Amino acid sequence: TQLLEQSPQFLSIQEGENLTVYCNSSSVFSSLQWYRQEPGEGPVLLVTVVTGGEVKKLKRLTFQFGDARKDSSLHITAAQPGDTGLYLCAGERSNTGKLIFGQGTTLQVKP
Amino acid sequence: DVKVTQSSRYLVKRTGEKVFLECVQDMDHENMFWYRQDPGLGLRLIYFSYDVKMKEKGDIPEGYSVSREKKERFSLILESASTNQTSMYLCASSLVVAGGDEQFFGPGTRLTVL
Repeated sequence: TQLLEQSPQFLSIQEGENLTVYCNSSSVFSSLQWYRQEPGEGPVLLVTVVTGGEVKKLKRLTFQFGDARKDSSLHITAAQPGDTGLYLCAGERSNTGKLIFGQGTTLQVKP
Repeated sequence: DVKVTQSSRYLVKRTGEKVFLECVQDMDHENMFWYRQDPGLGLRLIYFSYDVKMKEKGDIPEGYSVSREKKERFSLILESASTNQTSMYLCASSLVVAGGDEQFFGPGTRLTVL
């Protein structure tokens, strides 16, 4: 069974701090996605990474896919209260379109 | 604008009842998914449909069934609800089967089984 371990599960930081969220697996994924979910809503896609070693930037968010396509990280620079939410990584299994989700990271950014 | 809608935001049912959760997408997507979301466990795939009348079991199909009679509609059925099925249920759709395609999610149905 493929598993995707996401850490940390909870993070409470002050506005302006940097943070990194990790997703790790022993399995290879054909792609990896990061979603963000706000209370009362479904997850919304932030980014998809496909190639090993790929780095994508979305304003203050930097996403990296590991060289072996088994792990990924999300780095937020100078976090702001608007970044508060649940962040989910999801690995695609063998080009099937089916995703395995990590446990999620609840981020709280205090003003 | 892309939209996935779910029939109810909140639902309270009794143990043993038959429960229907409905999901509709207006994007002409081929694929539809049902997940349940529990704290500390992330989203877990219950069932997946890649075409009308086609379905495939996900990771936790026990106690659930699905129906897809029309392309835009995917229903999740709890034949006899149990308290351990209390959860948030999320429906999603995507255009293609593979290639890292984005999944679009509905707002979720929070089901409580008493």
